[in-house]
Amino acid sequence: GAVVSQHPSWVICKSGTSVKIECRSLDFQATTMFWYRQFPKQSLMLMATSNEGSKATYEQGVEKDKFLINHASLTLSTLTVTSAHPEDSSFYICSASGPGSLSREQYFGPGTRLTVT
Amino acid sequence: GDSVTQMEGPVTLSEEAFLTINCTYTATGYPSLFWYVQYPGEGLQLLLKATKADDKGSNKGFEATYRKETTSFHLEKGSVQVSDSAVYFCALWGSNTGKLIFGQGTTLQVKP
Repeated sequence: GAVVSQHPSWVICKSGTSVKIECRSLDFQATTMFWYRQFPKQSLMLMATSNEGSKATYEQGVEKDKFLINHASLTLSTLTVTSAHPEDSSFYICSASGPGSLSREQYFGPGTRLTVT
Repeated sequence: GDSVTQMEGPVTLSEEAFLTINCTYTATGYPSLFWYVQYPGEGLQLLLKATKADDKGSNKGFEATYRKETTSFHLEKGSVQVSDSAVYFCALWGSNTGKLIFGQGTTLQVKP
């Protein structure tokens, strides 16, 4: 149980275009979803936290107009990188947590490798 | 604020050697502690967890004990295998922040 999927697993796009990454909880209702960014050989950096049906809360230094997050249902959150540039190339990982006692545990997706050329 | 510090890697061991990866934390309130493992090109997998002091988390031969007096959660395994080669992240869930805070990760390489 507690499986989280991401799509696509990798994507290459041209500078200036937008890319959407989907994160789905397959077998539980995710009241909260998290988006992380990971640079090579580094730890995960939390970008934003989203609760179903409400606006995402962004971490300091993360541009909310550039990284659009939508959490429209209890099983789906999307991250859209708008007007992507090469410096946005990174590994993006989502995670999801459930309600109540499950809220402390996060289940991670397999990640999406974004390369902007 | 909450923080997690892991020993720097990489850690290189021979197969069947004993593994310890140190992890210490700073937190207010009553954090839960986790070890995650990341294999090359993949996301994170939960390895084990402990939710209160003196709890011992264990999975796949790995163990870690939540030590409040030393604010530590060291990861141990008695006999590592080549397949254990990965990056290991110590993390805490802050009861005050509701966020998962990660250590910097420790790369383990096990040689046959």
